[in-house]
Amino acid sequence: EDQVTQSPEALRLQEGESSSLNCSYTVSGLRGLFWYRQDPGKGPEFLFTLYSAGEEKEKERLKATLTKKESFLHITAPKPEDSATYLCAVQAWTSYGGSQGNLIFGKGTKLSVKP
Amino acid sequence: ETGVTQSPTHLIKTRGQQVTLRCSSQSGHNTVSWYQQALGQGPQFIFQYYREEENGRGNFPPRFSGLQFPNYSSELNVNALELDDSALYLCASSRGDSQETQYFGPGTRLLVL
Repeated sequence: EDQVTQSPEALRLQEGESSSLNCSYTVSGLRGLFWYRQDPGKGPEFLFTLYSAGEEKEKERLKATLTKKESFLHITAPKPEDSATYLCAVQAWTSYGGSQGNLIFGKGTKLSVKP
Repeated sequence: ETGVTQSPTHLIKTRGQQVTLRCSSQSGHNTVSWYQQALGQGPQFIFQYYREEENGRGNFPPRFSGLQFPNYSSELNVNALELDDSALYLCASSRGDSQETQYFGPGTRLLVL
């Protein structure tokens, strides 16, 4: 069964204290791995898509990396405005070669950054 | 470029009632996916519509149904509401038949009493 596990469930950092969030996945064939940011009561905001092991993408203080079993979201020198829940999702290939339409999400990591 | 919009933002219903939620896709997008997000959980896939046809369905009962219109907007209908249907309902739009990144709307918060 395809599944995504995120750790830790919650992370508290001081402003400027760098850290990483983990996303472990089990999927029959990975078509893409997605990172989203979600603020309370709002819809997820797209951050990154990663397609193959070794791929990295950066945006401001965030950097996402991908291996064959997991992805990391590195946060460098975070600010209070980075506080949010970070969601990881995977999309799988089907047995007939197309991609499944649905995203399979983890439960998210709730990040709090204190000034 | 207009993003994904959803209506209403909040809704309160009682058990056994029916509800319709609406979604307008982002400009240029012809695929709409619906997700249910319970408190403290990740979004769960309900179904997807591509060019007005259902293009995949998650593990939800038939009382969850949907439509997509020629302008690619979409509706999610839930019949015989249960208390466990209380959640944030998210709509996401994308280009193509599932190949592209999904962009989410702000969601509709449904409370069933």
